[in-house]
Parts: sequence; C-alpha cells; structure tokens
Amino acid sequence: ETGVTQTPRHLVMGMTNKKSLKCEQHLGHNAMYWYKQSAKKPLELMFVYNFKEQTENNSVPSRFSPECPNSSHLFLHLHTLQPEDSALYLCASSQAGWLRRSYEQYFGPGTRLTVT
Amino acid sequence: TQLLEQSPQFLSIQEGENLTVYCNSSSVFSSLQWYRQEPGEGPVLLVTVVTGGEVKKLKRLTFQFGDARKDSSLHITAAQPGDTGLYLCAGALNTGTASKLTFGTGTRLQVTL
Repeated sequence: ETGVTQTPRHLVMGMTNKKSLKCEQHLGHNAMYWYKQSAKKPLELMFVYNFKEQTENNSVPSRFSPECPNSSHLFLHLHTLQPEDSALYLCASSQAGWLRRSYEQYFGPGTRLTVT
Repeated sequence: TQLLEQSPQFLSIQEGENLTVYCNSSSVFSSLQWYRQEPGEGPVLLVTVVTGGEVKKLKRLTFQFGDARKDSSLHITAAQPGDTGLYLCAGALNTGTASKLTFGTGTRLQVTL
C-alpha cells in the first residue's frame, strides 16, 4: 500500500488540450516532487516543493506548471504539450530536514501520459 | 552534474542464480538509496546506506556502500521471479532542505523459471 496517490493513472491528450495531474501524500511529509520518466533515460527531477514553496525548477518548459496548495497536495498543470512529453510522470514526497532519513523519497504509482 | 552509472543495464537470469548490480559515480554522496520499480508502478524504496563501507541485508538482498561513498552494489542470492523489475540507485546530497536525489541509469532484471 502506498502513502502517495496519483490521478489519473493514464491520460491521453491532444497538443492543444489543458489537463492537470494530481498527487496526494498521506505520510505527513513536507516536501513533494515531480519527476519525468522516459524510456531509456534516468528519472528526471522536474520540480521540488519544500513546505509549499518551490525550491527547484530543473529547467522545465513553461508548458508544465506546478502548484502546491499545501504540504499534502501537488498538481502539475499541462498545456500545449508536445508528443515528446509523453512519459510516466511520478510524484514523490519526503520529510525535509537535516536528518539523513529525510533523503528517502516515497513515490506514487505515476501517471502514464500520452500526447497525440 | 552528478552522474550515476549502473551496470549491467539488462540482466536475464534463471531462478536460483546469484547476481550483482553496480552503481558508480565520481561524486561523493551523503547517502545512497536503492529502489525497485515494477511495470506501471512507481519506484519502491528498498534500502538506504549512509556510512562508507556499510553493508545492509534485506532477506536475499545485500547492499554495500563503497568506502569513499561514491559507489554501491546490490547482490541478490538465489534470485526468484518476484525479483524481476527495474533496480535504481539514487545518490543524495546533503543540502539541508528537501532531499535532492540523482538517479542512476537503471538495471532491468528478468528472472525466469
């Protein structure tokens, strides 16, 4: 059983559509992350939120827009995507802080996105 | 940019065989984690190693962190079909805030009967 949920699990969208991915964590963590996983590439960190504040934007195109209304919820708003944006989008959470255990991230099941 | 290279990239073995997966970097990490990911799911944390030279065991899985904290290995004894999946190592840097992980290139393991 995972403490991080993501919806939808699968999404097919056209290049002119606008959609949103949702992530919710039930672990009491205070940091949340978006990753992109493409075939034959390592997991790519996209955004980091620490106590609802964005602390990292890893040169992600503006067609991806994150939102973190509170420490438990994270959204990724999508608009005018390209076919190369098709990938598995993973959300993760962790307990931010100086303790080494804070580096352990817990992942959701991901949203498989296909852009047509 | 920190890079983590995993080897081998692909491994297909029969049930009962032993295997070792390697994770190498030129960077020093505060800690290193191993994850396993099954098709259609997110990565699941297996273990965290923190101290150089540390060895941790999880049933048939043995994890070792290099003395210099730049590399790690995962050894599986008597592999079973349930071990099939994508194994990812991830190095953490001590930033003092939200954890920043660098993920390895992954090793895809297939265990057949």
